[in-house]
Amino acid sequence: GENVEQHPSTLSVQEGDSAVIKCTYSDSASNYFPWYKQELGKRPQLIIDIRSNVGEKKDQRIAVTLNKTAKHFSLHITETQPEDSAVYFCAASIKEYGNKLVFGAGTILRVKS
Amino acid sequence: SAVISQKPSRDICQRGTSLTIQCQVDSQVTMMFWYRQQPGQSLTLIATANQGSEATYESGFVIDKFPISRPNLTFSTLTVSNMSPEDSSIYLCSVEDGGAAFFGQGTRLTVV
Repeated sequence: GENVEQHPSTLSVQEGDSAVIKCTYSDSASNYFPWYKQELGKRPQLIIDIRSNVGEKKDQRIAVTLNKTAKHFSLHITETQPEDSAVYFCAASIKEYGNKLVFGAGTILRVKS
Repeated sequence: SAVISQKPSRDICQRGTSLTIQCQVDSQVTMMFWYRQQPGQSLTLIATANQGSEATYESGFVIDKFPISRPNLTFSTLTVSNMSPEDSSIYLCSVEDGGAAFFGQGTRLTVV
């Protein structure tokens, strides 16, 4: 089955700096890659996603890149703000099988002001 | 996106008892998913619930421990049976809407 690895496990950045979180997946059939932000005590919130027919997607300060050949995808947050502090999870799924997501272990992002 | 409501939001239960968690969606959905998030950990899929058929369980999860009902296209329940302290986790339901997965607010279960 699918296995998703996520790095780093914790990331501290200064406010205004960029943050990058990387994930690799094992199943070449995976074709959908969402990213979730989870604040303490809250539900995971979808922040951006990408499908395998696209190499990059951007939404304001957030971007995701996908390298299908290398089977890795990354989340980029620019101009970080204290409210970006949270746990971020990457995930992978095969859309034809519904949204059965396999999650990475998560990254704790701390933005220091 | 779909509005997903879970009940209860939290509970403290005695070992050996069972708890049923409800998930209600404001629109009809084909598949509903149940995930477990152990303290400080990531999310793990327990099972997929389809209306009109038995749930499909992931490796490591069995129907006797986590029976699921799916009586219609907007509702599902997950029961955590014969609980032990190891079952203390957050349980979340999820649905697909517009090609993306969204989560309920979760049920925080503590077994004492």
